[in-house]
Amino acid sequence: AQSVSQHNHHVILSEAASLELGCNYSYGGTVNLFWYVQYPGQHLQLLLKYFSGDPLVKGIKGFEAEFIKSKFSFNLRKPSVQWSDTAEYFCAVTSSSNTGKLIFGQGTTLQVKP
Amino acid sequence: DAGITQSPRHKVTETGTPVTLRCHQTENHRYMYWYRQDPGHGLRLIHYSYGVKDTDKGEVSDGYSVSRSKTEDFLLTLESATSSQTSVYFCAISESGDRRVGGYTFGSGTRLTVV
Repeated sequence: AQSVSQHNHHVILSEAASLELGCNYSYGGTVNLFWYVQYPGQHLQLLLKYFSGDPLVKGIKGFEAEFIKSKFSFNLRKPSVQWSDTAEYFCAVTSSSNTGKLIFGQGTTLQVKP
Repeated sequence: DAGITQSPRHKVTETGTPVTLRCHQTENHRYMYWYRQDPGHGLRLIHYSYGVKDTDKGEVSDGYSVSRSKTEDFLLTLESATSSQTSVYFCAISESGDRRVGGYTFGSGTRLTVV
């Protein structure tokens, strides 16, 4: 079945640690990939997106993600996390094979300890 | 968020009662979406609209209906609320589907509790 999977459900890091959150999708066709962040009590905000071109995408707040087509992956990274990065992170995909609807992964809760 | 308003922000209702949630946008975007957010499930698409009076089902549409009589308003109705519909509901808008634009813009959410 077509899906978006985030492997890490809950991640706890200390400040200045490096972050990598996994995201895999199983859609065929042309895909567009997104990472959203939801800070406690707030709505979703777009971190970064990939449509085409350079597979290494840079987003806001020092986040980046790499699209690896052969692995159907779009992992999110940040070299050094801050306490303010504590939030829930969602990977999302649209695909030409599902009429372009935005489908989300289950989310990863990141807790950064000061 | 700027341009998209959900109402009410919070609601508690009893099992079996009808409930309508409203999403209002001032961006004149063609596409509107209703999602529900539940722990361990992320956001799941309930219904979406690609124009006035044009709607379609998402992945978890059972027990929900929608209407879009004006570009700016997209209503989500729970015909007979059940406890399994306790959730946070998010509306989203998109200018031209999603493949050409920078993703969706989300509203602030409606927290619905069915008791």
